[in-house]
Amino acid sequence: DVKVTQSSRYLVKRTGEKVFLECVQDMDHENMFWYRQDPGLGLRLIYFSYDVKMKEKGDIPEGYSVSREKKERFSLILESASTNQTSMYLCASSFPRKGYEQYFGPGTRLTVT
Amino acid sequence: GENVEQHPSTLSVQEGDSAVIKCTYSDSASNYFPWYKQELGKGPQLIIDIRSNVGEKKDQRIAVTLNKTAKHFSLHITETQPEDSAVYFCAASNYGNNRLAFGKGNQVVVIP
Repeated sequence: DVKVTQSSRYLVKRTGEKVFLECVQDMDHENMFWYRQDPGLGLRLIYFSYDVKMKEKGDIPEGYSVSREKKERFSLILESASTNQTSMYLCASSFPRKGYEQYFGPGTRLTVT
Repeated sequence: GENVEQHPSTLSVQEGDSAVIKCTYSDSASNYFPWYKQELGKGPQLIIDIRSNVGEKKDQRIAVTLNKTAKHFSLHITETQPEDSAVYFCAASNYGNNRLAFGKGNQVVVIP
């Protein structure tokens, strides 16, 4: 079974802090994605990566950056957390040569106070 | 870019009845349409998908239909059960870009 794990289920940070959200997948998937999920807004793509050290902006990249130094790990970075970044963050991965199914992690509920 | 709209936002059905969720998309180049189910406390999980060369696909109690001309697709759940209660997301994609554009989600509540 594909497994996507996220470093924390719940996280509370203060405004201005630097925040790292980690995601690891164990199936050698090429593509990895970060989404945020907010009530009434669905899933919005922040960034995605289709290879090590490669990244592309999604629909809402402002205030975020990403890092992919190893194929299995994709990190989302909030350089200076703000209250409007309080949200559920979901990581996903996919293997394009086997179809386009995205496998999601359980999510990290981030609260910025 | 692709814009996917999903209706209704909330749907309540009696156990045993059918549920239908409809989505529309804007980009005529989209050719892959998956549906994801998100249970409480979990990430979304693919339950069924359809490609643009097919009009309908069925898997046990769930089915998806696609109307390319009208640019809409629907999820049908028959004989609903309490475990069908969840948030359902539709999405659309063009094979070339590996990205999925998601709808806003639909909360389905199955009343026992």
